[in-house]
Amino acid sequence: QSVLTQPPSASGTPGQRVTISCSETSSSIGSEYIDWYQQLPGMAPKLLIYRNNQRPSGVPDRFSGSKSGTSASLAISRLRSEDEADYYCATWDDSLSGPVFGGGTKLTVL
Amino acid sequence: QVQLQESGPGLVKPSETLSLTCTVSGGSISSYYWNWVRQPPGKGLEWVGYMFHSGYTNSNPSLKSRVSISVDRSKNQFSLRLNSVTAADTAVYYCASGVSGSYSGRYYYYLDAWGKGIAVTVS
Repeated sequence: QSVLTQPPSASGTPGQRVTISCSETSSSIGSEYIDWYQQLPGMAPKLLIYRNNQRPSGVPDRFSGSKSGTSASLAISRLRSEDEADYYCATWDDSLSGPVFGGGTKLTVL
Repeated sequence: QVQLQESGPGLVKPSETLSLTCTVSGGSISSYYWNWVRQPPGKGLEWVGYMFHSGYTNSNPSLKSRVSISVDRSKNQFSLRLNSVTAADTAVYYCASGVSGSYSGRYYYYLDAWGKGIAVTVS
């Protein structure tokens, strides 16, 4: 059972704003930072957001992250068809001494 | 940014050892953390283990006794060995570079570059 809980699915229409949540459910979380990865169909994961709200070079500003307490969110504004993907949150887990991933959220663009 | 490429056999027999190599280009292996992450068919991501550039390694407790990660600095490669495999080890295996540090007094760790992945079937 993941220590990070995400909804299994989310959806939106083009142009809409959608959010995906990620809740910490374990005290073994050793970092206050959440990262987000995007996995397009058939592709490798790609770093989308790091340290809660930082975007790597090349990631559009339509993607934003936030965190409050034990909950984090990924927001995608001006939704596009190419945003249809699986999204994973992740953080450092002291019990693993390694990173742990949420179960993933499949985003469908209707 | 570094680029990573996995290589190795796509089919392994049960009880045998899975061996994969990740070749790093565009940067030196003598920095960062070097990770393996796997994804069973239709499922989510699972961290397998990492090796720090100093040679320190750590792996997921669920796999720890079966995992070995090593480095060949002369070739800028690192490798994964997973022994006594079963069908449950069937997955796409990714190598990834890890960045860690402290920011505003808080620890962070994220995977900033990933290989394309290699599908391994145990059968």
